Amino acid sequence: GAVVSQHPSWVICKSGTSVKIECRSLDFQATTMFWYRQFPKQSLMLMATSNEGSKATYEQGVEKDKFLINHASLTLSTLTVTSAHPEDSSFYICSASPDQPQHFGDGTRLSIL
Amino acid sequence: GESVGLHLPTLSVQEGDNSIINCAYSNSASDYFIWYKQESGKGPQFIIDIRSNMDKRQGQRVTVLLNKTVKHLSLQIAATQPGDSAVYFCADKPGFQKLVFGTGTRLLVSP
Repeated sequence: GAVVSQHPSWVICKSGTSVKIECRSLDFQATTMFWYRQFPKQSLMLMATSNEGSKATYEQGVEKDKFLINHASLTLSTLTVTSAHPEDSSFYICSASPDQPQHFGDGTRLSIL
Repeated sequence: GESVGLHLPTLSVQEGDNSIINCAYSNSASDYFIWYKQESGKGPQFIIDIRSNMDKRQGQRVTVLLNKTVKHLSLQIAATQPGDSAVYFCADKPGFQKLVFGTGTRLLVSP
């Protein structure tokens, strides 16, 4: 149980494009989902907490207008990287769980040219 | 976990050896601890967890040890196999607060 699916797994796009990443809980309902960012050879850094039916909570230093989060249902949260630039290239990972421990999706590799 | 984020320590072992991966955490209020395994290009995969009312927990080929006095956590992998090669992260969680990841350790297993 507690399967988290993320889509797409890999995306390459031009600078200035907006990119949407989906995170789904497949076999449970998730009122809360988490979005992380990971640079090569580094740890996971929490970007924001996505709350179903309400605004996301962003970590210090994360631009909420840059990284739009929508959690419109109990099984889906989306992260939209708006007007993406090369410095936004990274590995984005979501997590959710009905209880502990948190289970993670397989991540989305975002490359901005 | 203490996420420095600048360099990934590496542990190299031979197949069949036992591996010990260490982690320090900083928040004395943390009461829940997890080890994750992350293979290249994938998300973290849960290995084992432990609560602060325990100092040892065993799973299949893995053991987690918790020393709250010095805020130290370790993961022991018995009879390490090439398939165990990955990056291992510890994470800690104080109460209802967020999960905090450690720096990570890369485990390389040679056949």
